[in-house]
Amino acid sequence: DAGVTQSPTHLIKTRGQQVTLRCSPKSGHDTVSWYQQALGQGPQFIFQYYEEEERQRGNFPDRFSGHQFPNYSSELNVNALLLGDSALYLCASSLVLGNSGNTIYFGEGSWLTVV
Amino acid sequence: GESVGLHLPTLSVQEGDNSIINCAYSNSASDYFIWYKQESGKGPQFIIDIRSNMDKRQGQRVTVLLNKTVKHLSLQIAATQPGDSAVYFCAEGISGGYQKVTFGIGTKLQVIP
Repeated sequence: DAGVTQSPTHLIKTRGQQVTLRCSPKSGHDTVSWYQQALGQGPQFIFQYYEEEERQRGNFPDRFSGHQFPNYSSELNVNALLLGDSALYLCASSLVLGNSGNTIYFGEGSWLTVV
Repeated sequence: GESVGLHLPTLSVQEGDNSIINCAYSNSASDYFIWYKQESGKGPQFIIDIRSNMDKRQGQRVTVLLNKTVKHLSLQIAATQPGDSAVYFCAEGISGGYQKVTFGIGTKLQVIP
């Protein structure tokens, strides 16, 4: 049973460029969330996708956008990269089950360095 | 790999001793709490969770205690091993609908052999 998988694992971009990160959720999961983790800090919630729509969003600018595909996989796009966007980007998946709080599983993340 | 624990509170324990990591959460509406372990250069790994209708839950070598009155959560690790060295995060969420969790600051656990 594959867990949450993310690609690429590491990448370097230049200020002003755009980046796309990819995530495949754990088998059987239908909800994907993205988090940003700066060095020395806890992960910060960016947004969440369910049924191909953004359902919740954290305090991140519109430069951060995403997409969920029919197979539940997801992409995170960041435009006009800033140096401060350098971080570990984590994808998390879970299963919507009404009133149950469900375990959220994380991938290993994509390390983005903006130079 | 890169470290995620550069400026975090640190707990140092002797191998074989028990570890207790504490966490204060902020949202009184939170009813779902999770502990994650994060090793250097890796994503958070689920350890154990607890719902607000419980005050204690045990797993393999780990116990989570929840005190809703003072909004406090703790993770106890029995017989701490070198492989337990990592950064530990507590996270809080609200069950129902879409799952989203908010992470605490994190504590770096160093196990002394």
